[in-house]
Amino acid sequence: ELKVEQNPLFLSMQEGKNYTIYCNYSTTSDRLYWYRQDPGKSLESLFVLLSNGAVKQEGRLMASLDTKARLSTLHITAAVHDLSATYFCAVDRAGTDKLIFGTGTRLQVFP
Amino acid sequence: ETGVTQTPRHLVMGMTNKKSLKCEQHLGHNAMYWYKQSAKKPLELMFVYNFKEQTENNSVPSRFSPECPNSSHLFLHLHTLQPEDSALYLCASSHPGQVLNTEAFFGQGTRLTVV
Repeated sequence: ELKVEQNPLFLSMQEGKNYTIYCNYSTTSDRLYWYRQDPGKSLESLFVLLSNGAVKQEGRLMASLDTKARLSTLHITAAVHDLSATYFCAVDRAGTDKLIFGTGTRLQVFP
Repeated sequence: ETGVTQTPRHLVMGMTNKKSLKCEQHLGHNAMYWYKQSAKKPLELMFVYNFKEQTENNSVPSRFSPECPNSSHLFLHLHTLQPEDSALYLCASSHPGQVLNTEAFFGQGTRLTVV
């Protein structure tokens, strides 16, 4: 059974600081996704990581994938308040339609 | 603007009521999903339809009944629900058979309250 775990579950950080969110998954997977969810809103796709060593960056967020370690990271650089949201990673297998989400990391950035 | 539309956005229903949630996608995807998001639990995959065929039923109680008449529409029929079924129900669609552009797109969700 495919399981996806994230840590930390909650993250409170000061503006300007850096931090990393971790996503571990239990079985071999070919694709990993990062999503953002604002309170009361739907999920917005941030990154799609398709291969070992893949790295993608958008603004202050950078995501990477290590398929051998079954680990993805979402690194936040110089956090700003607008990044406050819940971040989810999700994993599936190529050729399947089963997308399993992690527990989510609730990020709060304060001045 | 999302390519996945869910209605209604909010729903309050009694435990003896029957209601349906609707989801429609305009993205040309062939897979559609229902997820349940509760306050204290991670996103739970409920059902998956791929080319209108149900490929996943994640041990969901029979009081939830999905229907997928075509690749663009997905329904979730609700009857005799319990208060613990109160949650945000999210619909998503994707094209899992592709090599690229496989991410799922989500609707705005239906906030369901069972009283």
